[in-house]
Amino acid sequence: TQLLEQSPQFLSIQEGENLTVYCNSSSVFSSLQWYRQEPGEGPVLLVTVVTGGEVKKLKRLTFQFGDARKDSSLHITAAQPGDTGLYLCARPNTGNQFYFGTGTSLTVIP
Amino acid sequence: DTEVTQTPKHLVMGMTNKKSLKCEQHMGHRAMYWYKQKAKKPPELMFVYSYEKLSINESVPSRFSPECPNSSLLNLHLHALQPEDSALYLCASSRGWIGNNSPLHFGNGTRLTVT
Repeated sequence: TQLLEQSPQFLSIQEGENLTVYCNSSSVFSSLQWYRQEPGEGPVLLVTVVTGGEVKKLKRLTFQFGDARKDSSLHITAAQPGDTGLYLCARPNTGNQFYFGTGTSLTVIP
Repeated sequence: DTEVTQTPKHLVMGMTNKKSLKCEQHMGHRAMYWYKQKAKKPPELMFVYSYEKLSINESVPSRFSPECPNSSLLNLHLHALQPEDSALYLCASSRGWIGNNSPLHFGNGTRLTVT
């Protein structure tokens, strides 16, 4: 298995706070995807990062791909209750297989 | 609304029952997946179909039997399940060409309870 470790595993914060979620691997990967899964729904793609050092922004969410393409981070500014969910990093692999990270469960308290 | 449709949304079954989960997509995707997910944990891959052929079986017990009747449909047949099989079962699809970073498109899952 090619493990993607996410940290923290659980996070509970107040509305308006900032947070960062990390996704780390010992292997180099060609690309990385971030998904969010809201309660009662399936995961939904947020972003794909491909180039080492790449930074992508999606409203209050900022995604970064490490220079060595072994790690990635997701930063949320001024968290809202609607940001509550399970955040998953994932890397595509040969054979149409996807490896998911260990997950970060975020709760934003109003 | 998700473009991958799963039915039923909820299913309660006894350990001796036979039931089926269904998944449908009309995006022209050629790879389809079954995942099992426990609460607040990442999805665990069960099966992958590529171009309607089973390409990956992640050592899933034979009480789970997948079927891909055509490129738009994916079924998961269930028989003699155990209470520990209770989970959210997610179907997903992708274009089928990893090289272009094609993402997974998930349905909203079937919440299965085995009594």
